[in-house]
Amino acid sequence: GQQVMQIPQYQHVQEGEDFTTYCNSSTTLSNIQWYKQRPGGHPVFLIQLVKSGEVKKQKRLTFQFGEAKKNSSLHITATQTTDVGTYFCAGGNQAGTALIFGKGTTLSVSS
Amino acid sequence: DVKVTQSSRYLVKRTGEKVFLECVQDMDHENMFWYRQDPGLGLRLIYFSYDVKMKEKGDIPEGYSVSREKKERFSLILESASTNQTSMYLCASNEGQRDYEQYFGPGTRLTVT
Repeated sequence: GQQVMQIPQYQHVQEGEDFTTYCNSSTTLSNIQWYKQRPGGHPVFLIQLVKSGEVKKQKRLTFQFGEAKKNSSLHITATQTTDVGTYFCAGGNQAGTALIFGKGTTLSVSS
Repeated sequence: DVKVTQSSRYLVKRTGEKVFLECVQDMDHENMFWYRQDPGLGLRLIYFSYDVKMKEKGDIPEGYSVSREKKERFSLILESASTNQTSMYLCASNEGQRDYEQYFGPGTRLTVT
């Protein structure tokens, strides 16, 4: 079945360093969404990308959707301790079924 | 703001017990979802419902059933709890297409002993 692979599983950075997590799908996606889950919390929607090659920014966060709509990335510039958490990508299936979540990347930041 | 609530934050049950996890959303969303979250495995879809009394199996439905008698409420049922069902259970809802933005509840951490 359709899968969304996300790497790396874990990433530790020093505060101020950059961070990137990548998602790859085995099939073409209708959209890609990104969620953040703080420690002890629940996933919270960050953004949705729909168009091929789309790039969106939210302050220090940059989200990209690949030209083939099969991959995506989230890049954080100059990480802060508030960025700690698990970041999930979730792909929409062109057949209109439920979202398929990647396994997440857990980011830890030391000051 | 959309609010999704779950009946318990923490629950401890014994093996073989029947367990009910309840989820309520206040935004008249058509779609509701149940996931379980385990370390290293991410979010796995158990069941979802796209209308009252309508449901579809997700990726891991074995050992679970669901009930949706009212639009705002979606219940997950463990017919006979087992230790391998110890997990964090998350409920979510959305409107429109099934792959639109989802709103999650706070989660229920279930321990089966």
